[in-house]
Amino acid sequence: DARVTQTPRHKVTEMGQEVTMRCQPILGHNTVFWYRQTMMQGLELLAYFRNRAPLDDSGMPKDRFSAEMPDATLATLKIQPSEPRDSAVYFCASGFSQGDILSTDTQYFGPGTRLTVL
Amino acid sequence: LAKTTQPISMDSYEGQEVNITCSHNNIATNDYITWYQQFPSQGPRFIIQGYKTKVTNEVASLFIPADRKSSTLSLPRVSLSDTAVYYCLVSGSARQLTFGSGTQLTVLP
Repeated sequence: DARVTQTPRHKVTEMGQEVTMRCQPILGHNTVFWYRQTMMQGLELLAYFRNRAPLDDSGMPKDRFSAEMPDATLATLKIQPSEPRDSAVYFCASGFSQGDILSTDTQYFGPGTRLTVL
Repeated sequence: LAKTTQPISMDSYEGQEVNITCSHNNIATNDYITWYQQFPSQGPRFIIQGYKTKVTNEVASLFIPADRKSSTLSLPRVSLSDTAVYYCLVSGSARQLTFGSGTQLTVLP
């Protein structure tokens, strides 16, 4: 049963520290999404990759967040420096896109990384 | 961006049919409608997707009227394990995905 994996599952850090979250998409999928979920804002799309290329990261604070896909099996989301307002659950999702109609893609979500910045 | 509106919460009893409606007045021609289910401490899980009319799978049905400005997720004979948050997602070629605020469904015994 193929699944998206995310590490770490929980992270507690202090303000100002660098945080790196990792995601392993399902083998064969060519799209990766990063979301942030909070009680106040709900699910927010941060970044979207297709065939490892970043297609949309407009939802991501550029000054402190960065997302990359070093290879097809790994996606990373970094926060440097972290702030208390970054506390949230960060989800990675992967899918297979066959065209430009993004909405037809089914997304498979990982279990999330719960980040707490003190 | 197609913005979605859903009821914040709904209660139901075991064995009943539940219908959750999502409004998406400015849906675009290329937009599909997808519903996801999320349990606590888990990521959302795909339930069903459609473009128009009716779609049915083993867990739910999706009804979309001709103007496509709304959609209704129908869960037949719900059980306690269907208690979750249900999200309506409308997206398209603009590469912008907007999850609504979700509907908390509580199934009571």
